[in-house]
Amino acid sequence: DQQVKQNSPSLSVQEGRISILNCDYTNSMFDYFLWYKKYPAEGPTFLISISSIKDKNEDGRFTVFLNKSAKHLSLHIVPSQPGDSAVYFCAASVNTGFQKLVFGTGTRLLVSP
Amino acid sequence: KAGVTQTPRYLIKTRGQQVTLSCSPISGHRSVSWYQQTPGQGLQFLFEYFSETQRNKGNFPGRFSGRQFSNSRSEMNVSTLELGDSALYLCASSLNAYEQYFGPGTRLTVT
Repeated sequence: DQQVKQNSPSLSVQEGRISILNCDYTNSMFDYFLWYKKYPAEGPTFLISISSIKDKNEDGRFTVFLNKSAKHLSLHIVPSQPGDSAVYFCAASVNTGFQKLVFGTGTRLLVSP
Repeated sequence: KAGVTQTPRYLIKTRGQQVTLSCSPISGHRSVSWYQQTPGQGLQFLFEYFSETQRNKGNFPGRFSGRQFSNSRSEMNVSTLELGDSALYLCASSLNAYEQYFGPGTRLTVT
């Protein structure tokens, strides 16, 4: 049962344009959402997060949007840079006080010069 | 501040053997979680330890076990290895309830 889904396995964008990565979830108990970036042979790197009480969080070139009614979140990267090329995972958590993240299967972003 | 470290980085084992992986969290982090990453499955939660106690466990067979020491370092053990256990095993440490910081992982190959 995949509670967090990233339906696009890959995305190609030109440098300078906007990259939009999408994520859907099914568990309405999730109250915190995160995006991680992963390069080959490295562990995931925390990028940005959002609490369910918000609908938008911005950090530099990265903005995460949360639509609770649609159980959908998205990550916008503007402007995209070649160094952004990586696999992006969205993850969700329930506030039980425990550390358990449920991850999507990832979207490979390729930003071409 | 040093990041999460994992040893070894690469490991090749034979079916039926057992393996122990090690993780040293970021200084001050008391929570350590383990994940398995395989192609097509993404990251699957194995278990989480806090102050030497397992607080949460994922849906993995009992062959997968772990422990945490008083200095917060953690180990995970897989017994009776199967071909399907070949994966990248990631350790993450955390200070708060949500944001986890990952190590580079241990790539386990079972032949």
